[in-house]
Amino acid sequence: EVQLVESGGGLVQPGGSLRLSCAASGFTFSDHYMDWVRQAPGKGLEWVARIRMKANSSSTEYAASVNGRFTISRDDSKNSLYLQMNSLKIEDAATYFCARHAGCSPTCFSAMDYWGQGALVTVSS
Amino acid sequence: DIQMTQSPSSLSASVGDRVTITCRASQGISIWLAWYQQKPGKAPKSLIYAASSLQTGAPSRFSGSGSGTDFTLTISSLQPEDSATYYCQHYNSYPLTFGGGTKVEIK
Repeated sequence: EVQLVESGGGLVQPGGSLRLSCAASGFTFSDHYMDWVRQAPGKGLEWVARIRMKANSSSTEYAASVNGRFTISRDDSKNSLYLQMNSLKIEDAATYFCARHAGCSPTCFSAMDYWGQGALVTVSS
Repeated sequence: DIQMTQSPSSLSASVGDRVTITCRASQGISIWLAWYQQKPGKAPKSLIYAASSLQTGAPSRFSGSGSGTDFTLTISSLQPEDSATYYCQHYNSYPLTFGGGTKVEIK
């Protein structure tokens, strides 16, 4: 059974930093791109970042709203995904979901097929 | 960036009704569109990928259609457990973007 479990959320002041983790199990983590998606309270879904597989140099993509402030990374030996969030703003407050990219067979044009339950990040002074 | 516009933003229908939600992309995205269902306080669940392919485990009353810029999600016979918010999302290019959501309520 595929499981994604986020951790590391909490309260941080504007300008502060936080690191989210996502522990994956039930599938071969190294074979999948991974995403972070966030949802501000009462709002819709916003894609944040993507990291490709090691076979694709673990290359990354970011939403413009977080580019330069957030860093997505992965440790395939630990089946873990991370999101380092620096220079946090009030508008970054949200529940952050990690999600699995469905895979590159036959094409890497794939949706997100499994999601974690989310980690709540509150940005307030 | 590709903008995804969903309509309606909310609807109310009776059990057994056929429900259709539309999603329009601001430019062509081929078939690279997904639909997700989200219930309050829960993570989104994948329903449809590649515009019309049913995700494993999703009920067969859900179906998707479309290509290019216009897409639809249809619930053939609405059930009480279908009360949720539905989102479309394109994955044709970066940044990936979601529609604003459609809240489905049961009368």
